[in-house]
Amino acid sequence: DAGVIQSPRHEVTEMGQEVTLRCKPISGHDYLFWYRQTMMRGLELLIYFNNNVPIDDSGMPEDRFSAKMPNASFSTLKIQPSEPRDSAVYFCASSHLPSDTQYFGPGTRLTVL
Amino acid sequence: KQEVTQIPAALSVPEGENLVLNCSFTDSAIYNLQWFRQDPGKGLTSLLLIQSSQREQTSGRLNASLDKSSGRSTLYIAASQPGDSATYLCAARMDSSYKLIFGSGTRLLVRP
Repeated sequence: DAGVIQSPRHEVTEMGQEVTLRCKPISGHDYLFWYRQTMMRGLELLIYFNNNVPIDDSGMPEDRFSAKMPNASFSTLKIQPSEPRDSAVYFCASSHLPSDTQYFGPGTRLTVL
Repeated sequence: KQEVTQIPAALSVPEGENLVLNCSFTDSAIYNLQWFRQDPGKGLTSLLLIQSSQREQTSGRLNASLDKSSGRSTLYIAASQPGDSATYLCAARMDSSYKLIFGSGTRLLVRP
């Protein structure tokens, strides 16, 4: 398997622009997680899905952030409008029962100018 | 609120040395605890997962232990190698939710 795939790997945008990050989980995995990593706050869970349904979005910082999972093989995390403080590395991870192990993608490094 | 702490923040050792990385958590009602490795510019790789009913897990030169009563987990690396240089993070899963609470990591450098 190719592992968790994220695109783009790097994104540089200007404040106020819409940003869309994409994730393809490992085939057969029914859990998908979006994380954000910064130097100040470390690694934080933003939202996770089970069978394409959002289960816990308590980590989504503001209404500017939204996530969707239209099918089992694709998810997006959207920021609209983006702000400089959104600059971070965003990771997608997937897993499946009975294993609890989460498999992480390579991340998207977002820079908002 | 669960908090996960890792000490030290950074560690430098000569090749061949055995070493221990520490992870502490404030709420002992954890479901499991995982250790991850992160290489610069890369995602996380799961190393070991210890269920709350277990005391330790081993994989090759790595051994992770869990003591719920004291709120501690340790990752033991035997005969360290330069290839072990990376940041090591622990993460606690608290309940039936899949939410992981991560520590801030220990940055390990193994000198040749």
